[in-house]
Amino acid sequence: DGGITQSPKYLFRKEGQNVTLSCEQNLNHDAMYWYRQDPGQGLRLIYYSQIVNDFQKGDIAEGYSVSREKKESFPLTVTSAQKNPTAFYLCASSATKAAPLYGYTFGSGTRLTVV
Amino acid sequence: DQQVKQNSPSLSVQEGRISILNCDYTNSMFDYFLWYKKYPAEGPTFLISISSIKDKNEDGRFTVFLNKSAKHLSLHIVPSQPGDSAVYFCAASAIGGSQGNLIFGKGTKLSVKP
Repeated sequence: DGGITQSPKYLFRKEGQNVTLSCEQNLNHDAMYWYRQDPGQGLRLIYYSQIVNDFQKGDIAEGYSVSREKKESFPLTVTSAQKNPTAFYLCASSATKAAPLYGYTFGSGTRLTVV
Repeated sequence: DQQVKQNSPSLSVQEGRISILNCDYTNSMFDYFLWYKKYPAEGPTFLISISSIKDKNEDGRFTVFLNKSAKHLSLHIVPSQPGDSAVYFCAASAIGGSQGNLIFGKGTKLSVKP
């Protein structure tokens, strides 16, 4: 079955540590996205990538970094510079030109908690 | 500046009745609109979409209406079922714009009571 896999489902981070959230897709989609969800804030775009080895900042990129070395993978690193990292993180993908027609396919999310 | 607005954070309806979720947008370049449904601790799932060349799209119990002059769309669920209880996100895209990126509203939490 094709889909997006995010791991881990739950992640705990100590203050000052960097952590990396995994996102893998086998849908052969060109574009991948990272969103953050906070209560009452909806979905806010962190980073997106339309093609391998290229990515752009979204609305709230500060304190985050990404890489896109393979089409299937788009890992997100939450750095110690992110002041309020506790949130639910969602990865998504789309066949770029079809995104407006069929939208995105989302992973099941990673809940990150700073302890 | 919010381009896609869902002004009702929550909505409660009785099972069997109609649920109406509303969404307003400000960007006149948007030409495709989608609704997503999200359960807690899960990713959103695509529900229904509509192109700006239409004013209505129906899929089973779900109907989306688009009023371009008012920059308003709504999702109707008839009849509502307890399993419809979830957060619903409205999203918009400008095909000729930023390569298909979706802009999401903040969501409306629907509770359907038995």
